[in-house]
Amino acid sequence: GAVVSQHPSWVICKSGTSVKIECRSLDFQATTMFWYRQFPKQSLMLMATSNEGSKATYEQGVEKDKFLINHASLTLSTLTVTSAHPEDSSFYICSARGVFAYEQYFGPGTRLTVT
Amino acid sequence: QKEVEQDPGPLSVPEGAIVSLNCTYSNSAFQYFMWYRQYSRKGPELLMYTYSSGNKEDGRFTAQVDKSSKYISLFIRDSQPSDSATYLCAMSAEGSARQLTFGSGTQLTVLP
Repeated sequence: GAVVSQHPSWVICKSGTSVKIECRSLDFQATTMFWYRQFPKQSLMLMATSNEGSKATYEQGVEKDKFLINHASLTLSTLTVTSAHPEDSSFYICSARGVFAYEQYFGPGTRLTVT
Repeated sequence: QKEVEQDPGPLSVPEGAIVSLNCTYSNSAFQYFMWYRQYSRKGPELLMYTYSSGNKEDGRFTAQVDKSSKYISLFIRDSQPSDSATYLCAMSAEGSARQLTFGSGTQLTVLP
């Protein structure tokens, strides 16, 4: 299957600072990428859908000013958590959609801890 | 009621057992059905996908979809300790977004 990378794999930051997470599709072009959030022992919650060259579509209840998503190229999408707070601590996972609609390849995830 | 229901487990089986994992759903528009495996602190890995109803087999894994009952299953034969993970079902409807709706995941432990 295709490879999706995320960087960093884990990050600890202080409350009030911003954190940027990168998601890259390494061997295919992804016109659409998705950002998920996962709490311990829970399923993935879709945060937003990111299309290359256009604004992201956010799910209900997700603050677009807090979770800034940029999809500048066919292989890179970034999620910036602005003014992070301890409640933003979570596992953030991106996925990239392949050629076929059913194909979504997930990154390894980024564990964010806000102190 | 959630769109996709999945028994969270945990499920423990002895090595070599046949494992059955199931999901039910309510949205009749779902056409694509996927099973993902997620190891602890890792991203999900696509195991199998099925379009519409039917069976699909890949090695020790068999996926079944019964759209009339809105019920999907994943069978694992000759289960191995390395199969210990959380299994997530996911579904998608036709359309440009093709967003996935996930089940809550079933935690499986295969005991040696």
